[in-house]
Amino acid sequence: EAEVAQSPRYKITEKSQAVAFWCDPISGHATLYWYRQILGQGPELLVQFQDESVVDDSQLPKDRFSAERLKGVDSTLKIQPAELGDSAMYLCASSLSRDYEQYFGPGTRLTVT
Amino acid sequence: KNEVEQSPQNLTAQEGEFITINCSYSVGISALHWLQQHPGGGIVSLFMLSSGKKKHGRLIATINIQEKHSSLHITASHPRDSAVYICAVNPDKLIFGTGTRLQVFP
Repeated sequence: EAEVAQSPRYKITEKSQAVAFWCDPISGHATLYWYRQILGQGPELLVQFQDESVVDDSQLPKDRFSAERLKGVDSTLKIQPAELGDSAMYLCASSLSRDYEQYFGPGTRLTVT
Repeated sequence: KNEVEQSPQNLTAQEGEFITINCSYSVGISALHWLQQHPGGGIVSLFMLSSGKKKHGRLIATINIQEKHSSLHITASHPRDSAVYICAVNPDKLIFGTGTRLQVFP
């Protein structure tokens, strides 16, 4: 069964360092989502792509976060510089299109020290 | 007030019990999702529904659009059902509840 791949699974970084996460969606899925989930809370959408275009990045802290999906397939989420409050689970999901069921990857757990 | 409220926040049960988790929302939606999250973080989509009722194995999800309410039922619960169950609604993007932590003991 096709799955959403994410790497790394775990990342520990020091405050002020740069960190990057990678996501490979299910083949053929046009819509890709990055979520952040703080411990004990539900996920929060950071950015949504339709193919290579950003359709929603209203909750993305653009002073330090960036996301790209250059060829409309895999995607990278970057944080620079990382802050202590960025410690969370970063989840990637994909769907055939916007109103279809989303499939989630295993997530990257980030700890900023 | 959160747009998606789940109850209870925590739930413990003995193996075999019938379990109900509730979700209420305050926005107009095109669909509601029930998701399962195991320790370690991975999320699995259980149901996506916009009306009525869906069943998959021992899981049943219902939604009442007029009352803005959904329930997830687990029949004959098992310890492997222990997880966090998350309700999410889709007005134009997914808005998630904070989840219900379920523990089923043998």
